[in-house]
Amino acid sequence: GDSVTQMEGPVTLSEEAFLTINCTYTATGYPSLFWYVQYPGEGLQLLLKATKADDKGSNKGFEATYRKETTSFHLEKGSVQVSDSAVYFCALSDRNGGFQKLVFGTGTRLLVSP
Amino acid sequence: DTGVSQNPRHKITKRGQNVTFRCDPISEHNRLYWYRQTLGQGPEFLTYFQNEAQLEKSRLLSDRFSAERPKGSFSTLEIQRTEQGDSAMYLCASSRDTSKHEQYFGPGTRLTVT
Repeated sequence: GDSVTQMEGPVTLSEEAFLTINCTYTATGYPSLFWYVQYPGEGLQLLLKATKADDKGSNKGFEATYRKETTSFHLEKGSVQVSDSAVYFCALSDRNGGFQKLVFGTGTRLLVSP
Repeated sequence: DTGVSQNPRHKITKRGQNVTFRCDPISEHNRLYWYRQTLGQGPEFLTYFQNEAQLEKSRLLSDRFSAERPKGSFSTLEIQRTEQGDSAMYLCASSRDTSKHEQYFGPGTRLTVT
């Protein structure tokens, strides 16, 4: 079945450092790809998405490009802030059966220190 | 939009008891999803409703679990004869009936079975 693999955390960075969180996927067909973020004590929030190959999703300084040839959707940010500390989940939308079940990775915790 | 709401936020119960959770989706969202998230893992799909019809159930949803969405509005998830392995965060999400695949999540209900 479809699956998502993320790099293990925690990822520990100093403020203003460059961030990359790797995400690769296995899917039949052409899924949509997402990054969700979970801040401490809060629910999942959609961070960005891409619905077809070579699309770039972006939001709040974060970016990810849908790479079909490498089946990847790596999350990047040029300069992280302490407020970016959270757990980040990569997910794909499985459209088998005509509805959009999300398949998530295990999450990557990001810790940003001042 | 007021967002997806879930009640209660926390539930502690003894093994063998029944519990029921409620989810109120974003108004006008006709798709509703339940997911389960255990510690250190990403959310896993449980079931999906389009309006009042339950169209898909995961193998994770044993016969002790039942979900309803009367009149296509709020949804309830009931767990009968709870077991310690049921301890998890239960997440609800909703989306519009479009091809954008964006699901909006509630804050979740954390269940602890003692």
